Amino acid sequence: NAGVTQTPKFRILKIGQSMTLQCTQDMNHNYMYWYRQDPGMGLKLIYYSVGAGITDKGEVPNGYNVSRSTTEDFPLRLELAAPSQTSVYFCASTAIGDPNEQYFGPGTRLTVT
Amino acid sequence: QKEVEQNSGPLSVPEGAIASLNCTYSDRGSQSFFWYRQYSGKSPELIMSIYSNGDKEDGRFTAQLNKASQYVSLLIRDSQPSDSATYLCAVNILDFGNEKLTFGTGTRLTIIP
Repeated sequence: NAGVTQTPKFRILKIGQSMTLQCTQDMNHNYMYWYRQDPGMGLKLIYYSVGAGITDKGEVPNGYNVSRSTTEDFPLRLELAAPSQTSVYFCASTAIGDPNEQYFGPGTRLTVT
Repeated sequence: QKEVEQNSGPLSVPEGAIASLNCTYSDRGSQSFFWYRQYSGKSPELIMSIYSNGDKEDGRFTAQLNKASQYVSLLIRDSQPSDSATYLCAVNILDFGNEKLTFGTGTRLTIIP
């Protein structure tokens, strides 16, 4: 049982490039979340999903897109990367009926230059 | 804007003493409260959850909740150098029927040997 896994661990992008951050969980959790964490700051919710085929915007969705075709996978797409998207990205999941005790992946550290 | 506020610290506590971390929240409807520990460069790890007024103890950790004052705290007894980390307070918010966590910016705790 690997929990929540994320790839890649690190990535450097040039301005205007695109990439997809992968997130997979093997706990059969319905709810999945994407956060970003800037230095010295808390976690800001980008997008979340309450189940396969259902996604919704969080607090800071601009510049990102998501999809949820399966229960296990919740990829985050960055289109036209900008320096403001330099951050650490965390994926998390929780089960229905579990009062939002979220379990986090190890994170992806992204630098846009 | 539903907010969660924490003193960013740093908070320095001698080894063996009690560390006290505080958090206030703005949404009176919140029902679930969490403390996450985050070591530098790592992902947040859930250490305590509390859902009703009063104290909840787990080993050296005690979470305290006062919904009337919209206040939640974490006490760490017999502090150890391994407790040095950033502690994030998180509050469950119902947003149009969907549950989301709002995080504080975290309190950086340093245990001095």
